[in-house]
Amino acid sequence: DVVMTQSPLSLPVTLGQPASISCRSSQSLVYSDGNTYLNWFQQRPGQSPRRLIYKVSNRDSGVPDRFSGSGSGTDFTLKISRVEAEDVGVYYCMQATHWPPFTFGPGTKLDIK
Amino acid sequence: EVQLVESGGGLVQPGGSLRLSCAASGFTFNNWWMSWVRQAPGKGLEWVASIDEDGFKNYYVGSVKGRFTISRDNAKNALYLHMNSLRADDTAVYYCARTKSFDVWGQGTMVTVSS
Repeated sequence: DVVMTQSPLSLPVTLGQPASISCRSSQSLVYSDGNTYLNWFQQRPGQSPRRLIYKVSNRDSGVPDRFSGSGSGTDFTLKISRVEAEDVGVYYCMQATHWPPFTFGPGTKLDIK
Repeated sequence: EVQLVESGGGLVQPGGSLRLSCAASGFTFNNWWMSWVRQAPGKGLEWVASIDEDGFKNYYVGSVKGRFTISRDNAKNALYLHMNSLRADDTAVYYCARTKSFDVWGQGTMVTVSS
């Protein structure tokens, strides 16, 4: 199984400042079709998860452009250019290249300093 | 509006059974893979099972193989998770999600396994 790791696990950020979350996979997430199936999810307190980014860098509809995804192979990053109060929650990366099983990272909890 | 609504959760004793349902609306249900993902209290997300558009292919995480069955009724736009031999570590919120990239999620239904 592909193991997903994230760092940091806790991320206190000042409003208006940038934030960055790293995600690493235990093996390359490049699929035979050339795509890399790495997604990012946001889970606000008390809510269901919401997909933010798919295939490394594609923002879902309605996701603010302050969110961006990048990376390749085994190393990926989610960046928030200027953190807002509504960004508080837990962020998960997930791989959908080598399945089953689909595997999630442990989550990074973002809160406001 | 694309929507997934889970139901069927509750309190069940260890060794018991439960069937979860997920009602889909706002999209052509039989065109999409569907999945179940769970979240134990205070923990992260764990994929549980997925099923293809026609219901012919299904996949499970190792810890539920032989105990859980994912199924669907395309005529009713419904996804199911039949859970047998439930254990305390199955206690979680269970979410249904669309496709193999989980682009749409329901609100979840809580399953508590306890005596």
